[in-house]
Amino acid sequence: EIVLTQSPATLSLSPGERATLSCRASQSVSIYLAWYQQKPGQAPRLLIYDASNRATGIPTRFSGSGSGTDFTLTISSLEPEDFAVYYCQHRGNWPLTFGGGTKVEIK
Amino acid sequence: QVQLQESGPGLVKPSETLSLTCTVSGGSMNNYYWTWIRQPPGKGLEWIGYIYYSGSTHYNPSLESRVTISVDTSNNQFSLNLRSLTAADTAVYYCARPYRELLGNDAFDIWGQGTMVTVSS
Repeated sequence: EIVLTQSPATLSLSPGERATLSCRASQSVSIYLAWYQQKPGQAPRLLIYDASNRATGIPTRFSGSGSGTDFTLTISSLEPEDFAVYYCQHRGNWPLTFGGGTKVEIK
Repeated sequence: QVQLQESGPGLVKPSETLSLTCTVSGGSMNNYYWTWIRQPPGKGLEWIGYIYYSGSTHYNPSLESRVTISVDTSNNQFSLNLRSLTAADTAVYYCARPYRELLGNDAFDIWGQGTMVTVSS
């Protein structure tokens, strides 16, 4: 099973700042990594698939990069609605697994 | 647009079997791998398994001995059965659809709202 480790656990930032979130895989997943946003009481929302492709309707301030074992989600300028928990998920092999999450909170 | 809705009991006793159903509305079940994912309170997400619309299944090895997923395309539903429950199975259970057709190992862009299941006597 591939373990995904997200860092930091918590990111304290102000609106307008840039957020950089990391996801590291225990073995290569090629480009097969996705990112989600989850707000309290809601289902996850797909942001990025296959490392760098924005899902339908996702604002351009969200971008993903990386391949192999190291991936990054960047939010270029935080909007008030972006404060949430973010998860990564791989589809490199079975079983599919998710990272432990990064909480982006208001500083 | 496709929507998913989970239904089932909110409280189940230890050692019993959990049965949940996901109803698919606004679209066909054809060509997709319909998936169950769960999230214990305050924790991360765990992929449980999927069923293809034609009936083939694949499960997480950590749950494979206790889980069965079935499909009823005539009623646009798929279901999860999880046996021999313990408190560790307490979680929000989501049904989800992959972003792309014909891919079982994909990201998930359509999710149900989730249903909280508590395992307690």
